Amino acid sequence: NAGVMQNPRHLVRRRGQEARLRCSPMKGHSHVYWYRQLPEEGLKFMVYLQKENIIDESGMPKERFSAEFPKEGPSILRIQQVVRGDSAAYFCASSPSQGAYEQYFGPGTRLTVT
Amino acid sequence: GDSVTQMEGPVTLSEEAFLTINCTYTATGYPSLFWYVQYPGEGLQLLLKATKADDKGSNKGFEATYRKETTSFHLEKGSVQVSDSAVYFCALSDQAKAAGNKLTFGGGTRVLVKP
Repeated sequence: NAGVMQNPRHLVRRRGQEARLRCSPMKGHSHVYWYRQLPEEGLKFMVYLQKENIIDESGMPKERFSAEFPKEGPSILRIQQVVRGDSAAYFCASSPSQGAYEQYFGPGTRLTVT
Repeated sequence: GDSVTQMEGPVTLSEEAFLTINCTYTATGYPSLFWYVQYPGEGLQLLLKATKADDKGSNKGFEATYRKETTSFHLEKGSVQVSDSAVYFCALSDQAKAAGNKLTFGGGTRVLVKP
């Protein structure tokens, strides 16, 4: 059973460009979480999605950031008009249900904004 | 809101030494508690968990006991190895919250074990 897949693993963008980060949850998992890890800091929750629904986006910046988890295909975290402060590692996690205790993390996408 | 505080690192130890990483939490409900480990360049792996007071989580020689009276979940290992060098994160998930099990993380503690 493949784990959580994220791509790309490394992404370099110039200021003002768009960044798209993809996450494929584990097989059978329909719940996806996105977290951001700034340099030398812990992970901060961004958004929680189920298929075709955003359940909790309380951790998402109000502007430039959006997320989706379509019926088919991976979950996408989209950052428009990136700025240097967006440079971070973005981790996706999945779980099989809302009541499940465990979240399984992907290897992360390291975004660098130049 | 919910928060997790863990001791700052780095923690440098010799092989076979005893490791303790302190973790305390604040939560309004009845959280589940977790320790995750992050090896260099990798994502987080669940190390152990405890879902109610007085539960003890254990895995790979690591242990942590859910202490509701002191709101703590300290991680311990009796004899560390070089391969235990990593960053350790304490986290909680408040089951009482309406939407999902989002994790609240501490800042992480870097552990370096020297041969």
